[in-house]
This record gives sequence, structure tokens and C-alpha cells, in this order.
Amino acid sequence: DAGVIQSPRHEVTEMGQEVTLRCKLISGHNSLFWYRQTMMRGLELLIYFNNNVPIDDSGMPEDRFSAKMPNASFSTLKIQPSEPRDSAVYFCASNLRGRPEAFFGQGTRLTVV
Amino acid sequence: GENVEQHPSTLSVQEGDSAVIKCTYSDSASNYFPWYKQELGKRPQLIIDIRSNVGEKKDQRIAVTLNKTAKHFSLHITETQPEDSAVYFCAASGTYKYIFGTGTRLKVLA
Repeated sequence: DAGVIQSPRHEVTEMGQEVTLRCKLISGHNSLFWYRQTMMRGLELLIYFNNNVPIDDSGMPEDRFSAKMPNASFSTLKIQPSEPRDSAVYFCASNLRGRPEAFFGQGTRLTVV
Repeated sequence: GENVEQHPSTLSVQEGDSAVIKCTYSDSASNYFPWYKQELGKRPQLIIDIRSNVGEKKDQRIAVTLNKTAKHFSLHITETQPEDSAVYFCAASGTYKYIFGTGTRLKVLA
């Protein structure tokens, strides 16, 4: 099992550009979380999907952020337009139906200049 | 609101000594308490967890204890080794949502 796979691993973009982060869940997992990690704020939950449906998006900071889960194994997090304060490491994590253990992807380090 | 406090923020120990990291949670509905280890530039990795119906759990050199009445839980690492150096995060969860602590940077000095 390959684990949770994120791409790209690193992204450097200019302010105002659109950024799309991608996540592939572990096979058989049905819940997906997007987290943002910064030194100042630690690990913050942005959005939670269960069975492809967004259940809790209260952590999404602004309308510039959007997330989709078009099928059971894949999700995207989009920032449009990006701003320097969006610079952070973005993790997705998934867990198996009925199990609380969450497994993280390797993260995408986003730098907005 | 929901909150998890974690202490200390940094911890240095000599190789072979024990390390203890403590967390306190606020939501009495929390029933699952995982601990994650994050090495520099890598993903958080689940190292041990405990559920609310258990007071203690051990896995080789690591153990976690839970005091539901006091809403405290702790990570204990014995016989520390240089490869234990990392940032450790505790979390508390009641349903799906993890509330993470702010992390403890552990340095094991050789």
C-alpha cells in the first residue's frame, strides 16, 4: 500500500497565481482531511470530507480556498488568488471507515512570493 | 472552544534517559488520543494512540497514559535514542476532528 500521496511536494508561485494541491487517499479509506501547518499556528484543519462529501469546512480561511473530492480516492485544494500569507506546508490525511487513526501524506510545501 | 495544551514546547534529554510530554484537553467528549512524531521536513507519523476506555498503553519504549477525570494524557519515552529527536504532537478527538497540541521539540543528546 503506497500510503497517502500528495503532489507536488514543493510549489513556488507568485502572488495572485492559482495554486492546486493534489491528494490521493489510501485505497479503501473514505475520510479525507486537509491540514495546514505553520510555525505560528501549528496544524490547522481546513476541511474534512467523508464519502466524498464535505462535512466540515469551517477551517477554510477565506473564499480564496476551495476543495473538491471528485471521487473516492482523490482530492484537490485550490487557492485562487494566492497570497504570501498562504505560504505553509499543506498536508492531507485519510482514515478508514469506522477507524479513528489518520495517516498523513508527505505534504506540499507552498511558497508564495 | 476545544483546546489541547501541550508541554513542554522543547525538551532536551541525555541519550538513555526518559522523556515525558504532557497534554491537557478541554472537550470532555474526546475519546481518542493519538500521538504523532514529525521529523524535520517529513509527515506526522502516528506512533501510539489510546482510547478513553483504557488508562495506559505501551509499545516497546513508548507508553501513553490517560487520566480522563483530569483530562490529562502523557507520552513517555524510555531509553531515549538520538533517532527519537523530532517534534511530537498530541491530539484529542471526539468524532472526526483532531485538535492538535502545539508540539514538543525533543532533542536527545548523544
